[in-house]
Amino acid sequence: DQQVKQNSPSLSVQEGRISILNCDYTNSMFDYFLWYKKYPAEGPTFLISISSIKDKNEDGRFTVFLNKSAKHLSLHIVPSQPGDSAVYFCAASAFAGNTPLVFGKGTRLSVIA
Amino acid sequence: DAGVTQSPTHLIKTRGQQVTLRCSPKSGHDTVSWYQQALGQGPQFIFQYYEEEERQRGNFPDRFSGHQFPNYSSELNVNALLLGDSALYLCASSLTDFYNEKLFFGSGTQLSVL
Repeated sequence: DQQVKQNSPSLSVQEGRISILNCDYTNSMFDYFLWYKKYPAEGPTFLISISSIKDKNEDGRFTVFLNKSAKHLSLHIVPSQPGDSAVYFCAASAFAGNTPLVFGKGTRLSVIA
Repeated sequence: DAGVTQSPTHLIKTRGQQVTLRCSPKSGHDTVSWYQQALGQGPQFIFQYYEEEERQRGNFPDRFSGHQFPNYSSELNVNALLLGDSALYLCASSLTDFYNEKLFFGSGTQLSVL
């Protein structure tokens, strides 16, 4: 049973527009959430995180929103750039990040120039 | 500063064989974890090593075993390979405060079992 779900396998966005990647989770014990970005032939790299005590965290063009009641988080990229084209993984952890990360299946973002 | 390095990059084995994958953590890191990423899936936690001992383990059979050396490098061993073991194996390193953004991944070893 998937505890972290990314229901959109792919997303295509024009350069300069907003990219919104969604993630849902089922385990109410999750209290720390992360987004990783993965380019082909490279390992995942950390992008941004959010603790369950917050509902928003921003880092430059990247913002993560957390809706605990809906068990939903989203990653917003504004403005999108061609270099953002990659696979984005949502991951979650419990007990303030002291349990192994549980990853979603990923969403492949394509930013079209 | 070298990041996490894994070897080999690619590997082809046949069913029933055994395989050893290697990982050198990022300089200054003392904790190594291994993940399996099957095609079309996200990375799945196998186990974590700290101070040369397995500290946590995911839902993987005993055919999967590991080791950490005094220099913090690590090996992942898989015995009696099955077709379903074909995947990208990722190593990640960190300091002991592990499950947070300070998790650095290597580029992985692509294992194909024929």
